[in-house]
Amino acid sequence: DGGITQSPKYLFRKEGQNVTLSCEQNLNHDAMYWYRQDPGQGLRLIYYSQIVNDFQKGDIAEGYSVSREKKESFPLTVTSAQKNPTAFYLCASARPGLAGSNEQFFGPGTRLTVL
Amino acid sequence: AQKITQTQPGMFVQEKEAVTLDCTYDTSDPSYGLFWYKQPSSGEMIFLIYQGSYDQQNATEGRYSLNFQKARKSANLVISASQLGDSAMYFCAMREGENTGKLIFGQGTTLQVKP
Repeated sequence: DGGITQSPKYLFRKEGQNVTLSCEQNLNHDAMYWYRQDPGQGLRLIYYSQIVNDFQKGDIAEGYSVSREKKESFPLTVTSAQKNPTAFYLCASARPGLAGSNEQFFGPGTRLTVL
Repeated sequence: AQKITQTQPGMFVQEKEAVTLDCTYDTSDPSYGLFWYKQPSSGEMIFLIYQGSYDQQNATEGRYSLNFQKARKSANLVISASQLGDSAMYFCAMREGENTGKLIFGQGTTLQVKP
């Protein structure tokens, strides 16, 4: 089955600790995205990557870091510099650069709670 | 700046009736795409329907249709014959430009279908 997996589903972190959220896709998509969702709110873009070894900041990149060493993988690290990291994190992938109904496919999400 | 507005935080509809979820957008880019996603309580984002800025006809996908009024910059989602399983949060999103695939999301509308 092709799709996107995110792990873990729930994650608890102590203040001051860095934590890495996993995102893997086997859809052979070039582009991958990380979003943050706060309760009752829409999604906000953290980082995105259109190709291996390249990524760009989104609207709320401060306190986060990413890497894109493999096409299939786009891990997100929430650093201790992120002031309010408790949120639901969604990873997505898509084929970029095509006009048309090139929708993003989403993973199941990781719910991060800072204790 | 590009923006998506969903003015209905919550909506109720009787089972088997139709419901319209509102979405307005703002952009100066002549080429854009509009998407609707459904987010059940489990958290995953499910793609429903897409409308391109140059599409002459309103998009339809099964019970979902998009009422696209370009001059008014609105892209309302119409769900016909509502089912209990339609209860979820619904997000309108706009693709920013042609190449990055970046999406800007609205705040969402929570739909509850009453039996």
